[in-house]
Amino acid sequence: GENVEQHPSTLSVQEGDSAVIKCTYSDSASNYFPWYKQELGKRPQLIIDIRSNVGEKKDQRIAVTLNKTAKHFSLHITETQPEDSAVYFCAASTLEYGNKLVFGAGTILRVKS
Amino acid sequence: NAGVTQTPKFQVLKTGQSMTLQCAQDMNHEYMSWYRQDPGMGLRLIHYSVGAGITDQGEVPNGYNVSRSTTEDFPLRLLSAAPSQTSVYFCASSYGGLATDTQYFGPGTRLTVL
Repeated sequence: GENVEQHPSTLSVQEGDSAVIKCTYSDSASNYFPWYKQELGKRPQLIIDIRSNVGEKKDQRIAVTLNKTAKHFSLHITETQPEDSAVYFCAASTLEYGNKLVFGAGTILRVKS
Repeated sequence: NAGVTQTPKFQVLKTGQSMTLQCAQDMNHEYMSWYRQDPGMGLRLIHYSVGAGITDQGEVPNGYNVSRSTTEDFPLRLLSAAPSQTSVYFCASSYGGLATDTQYFGPGTRLTVL
């Protein structure tokens, strides 16, 4: 079945630096790749997503890139701020269990001021 | 709009007890789902529903039952709680499919089984 691997598991950056989180997936039929942010004790919330017909998508300081050939996608956060500190989850769609999402294990991002 | 709501926020059970986690949404979403979140394992799909009266199993369905009698409500039942079911449970809903549209999550229920 679909396997989504996420790296790194923890990431510490200085405020103002960039952060990059990478995910790989195994199902070549996957066509939807969202990223969710979960602040401590809160619910996951969608921050950006990309579909397989697009190679890159940007929303202010956040961008996602997709390489379908290599089966990996990445989240890029520029000019990090303390409020970016959270757990970030990538996910990929799969036809297993119907058309569903499989989530990565998550990355704890700490932005030090 | 309240969005997706869940009750209770916290629950402690003894092994073998049963209980129902409640989930409701007021966005008129057809798709609803239940996930469990465990450290280092992301979010795993337990059960889902594509509309009232229709439910199906996800990745980790054993030990859980669901029903969907209305568009708004999607309760999750633990039949006989086990320590392995200690987890944080999130309900989610979406307008489109589970793998094609934004998932709106509830605030979560933290369950401990002793």
